[in-house]
Amino acid sequence: GDSVTQMEGPVTLSEEAFLTINCTYTATGYPSLFWYVQYPGEGLQLLLKATKADDKGSNKGFEATYRKETTSFHLEKGSVQVSDSAVYFCALINYDYKLSFGAGTTVTVRA
Amino acid sequence: ETGVTQTPRHLVMGMTNKKSLKCEQHLGHNAMYWYKQSAKKPLELMFVYSLEERVENNSVPSRFSPECPNSSHLFLHLHTLQPEDSALYLCASSQGAADRELETQYFGPGTRLLVL
Repeated sequence: GDSVTQMEGPVTLSEEAFLTINCTYTATGYPSLFWYVQYPGEGLQLLLKATKADDKGSNKGFEATYRKETTSFHLEKGSVQVSDSAVYFCALINYDYKLSFGAGTTVTVRA
Repeated sequence: ETGVTQTPRHLVMGMTNKKSLKCEQHLGHNAMYWYKQSAKKPLELMFVYSLEERVENNSVPSRFSPECPNSSHLFLHLHTLQPEDSALYLCASSQGAADRELETQYFGPGTRLLVL
């Protein structure tokens, strides 16, 4: 079945540092790929998405590029802020309606 | 209100109680979902409704009973729960169409449930 693997956390960074969270997937065909973010005490918010190979999703300074050749969708941000502290989930959806989530990566940004 | 709302945000119940979680979406979507998020576990899909019909029951125990009276509302009725059912229950909705651009799921804030 479909699955998503993302780097284990926790990740701790200083403000203005560069953030990368690796995400790889296993799926048949051409899934759509997502990054969701969960701030403390809240539900999941869609951060960005890409629906086909070589698409780049971007939002709030975060970017991720759909790489079919490496089955990856790594999340990056050039300069993190304390407000970016959250849990980040990589996910995919395939020919059905089911979202498959990674385990989540906890990111803490220190001032 | 906009987006997906859930009530209550927090709930404490005993194992013999009966309670219900409510989800409402204001996005004009046709599909709604219940997920369970437990500590140190991946998000688990519980139920899927499309056009008010249940299309997925992901091996969920019968002590969880969903209800979808219309495309905007989704309930999760709870009875005789166990302490291990304590978790964050998330509701989501999507357009439900086959178009990849419309399949994105939007989540509510969740109900934090504690079963004593």
